[in-house]
Amino acid sequence: DIQMTQSPSTLSASVGDRVTITCRASQSISRWLAWYQQKPGEAPKVLIYKASTLERGVPSRFSGGGSGTEFTLTISSLQPDDFATYYCQQYKSYSAEAFGQGTKVEIK
Amino acid sequence: QVQLVQSGAEVKKPGASVKVSCKVSGYMLSKLSMHWVRQAPGKGLEWMGGFDPGDGETIYAQKFQGRVTVTEDTSTDTAYMELSSLRSEDTAVYFCATGIMGVGTAYYFDYWGQGTLVTVSS
Repeated sequence: DIQMTQSPSTLSASVGDRVTITCRASQSISRWLAWYQQKPGEAPKVLIYKASTLERGVPSRFSGGGSGTEFTLTISSLQPDDFATYYCQQYKSYSAEAFGQGTKVEIK
Repeated sequence: QVQLVQSGAEVKKPGASVKVSCKVSGYMLSKLSMHWVRQAPGKGLEWMGGFDPGDGETIYAQKFQGRVTVTEDTSTDTAYMELSSLRSEDTAVYFCATGIMGVGTAYYFDYWGQGTLVTVSS
């Protein structure tokens, strides 16, 4: 199975900061990667799919990049609504471990 | 707009089974690929299984093979996930989610239900 590893696990930042989260796959997944945002008590919400395509309705301050085994999610200017946990997910193949372990973005 | 509404919280004893439902509105279940993802308290997301309309088959994660059954009632646009032989480690929030496939790939998930908490405790 393909393993997904996110870093960092926790990120402390301030409103207005530029933040980047990294997701690494244990083998190439081409660009079959999605990013999700999850707030406490809520379901995840897809932000980006196919590594860099923004889901409709998602603010343009979110962007995704990468291919193969290394990917990034960048928030260009952190807003109060962005404090949440972010997950990457590979969808090249079926696996219970398709999701990364999550990155919590907290207020500095 | 697709909406997914799940059944309420459940408390089960070890060894029992649980069946969670997911009612679809705003679209036909038969045209969707419905999947199930769970999240243990304070933990990450785990894909359990789902329906692949391309070949009409249900696919399960190897970890849950033999314990999970995903079914659909297209007459009521309701999907179901049944997990058997429950143990304490199965305590989690269970989500249904609609899948979007890449080209010859697995799925990412665009619409999600609100989640159903299943607690396994003696």
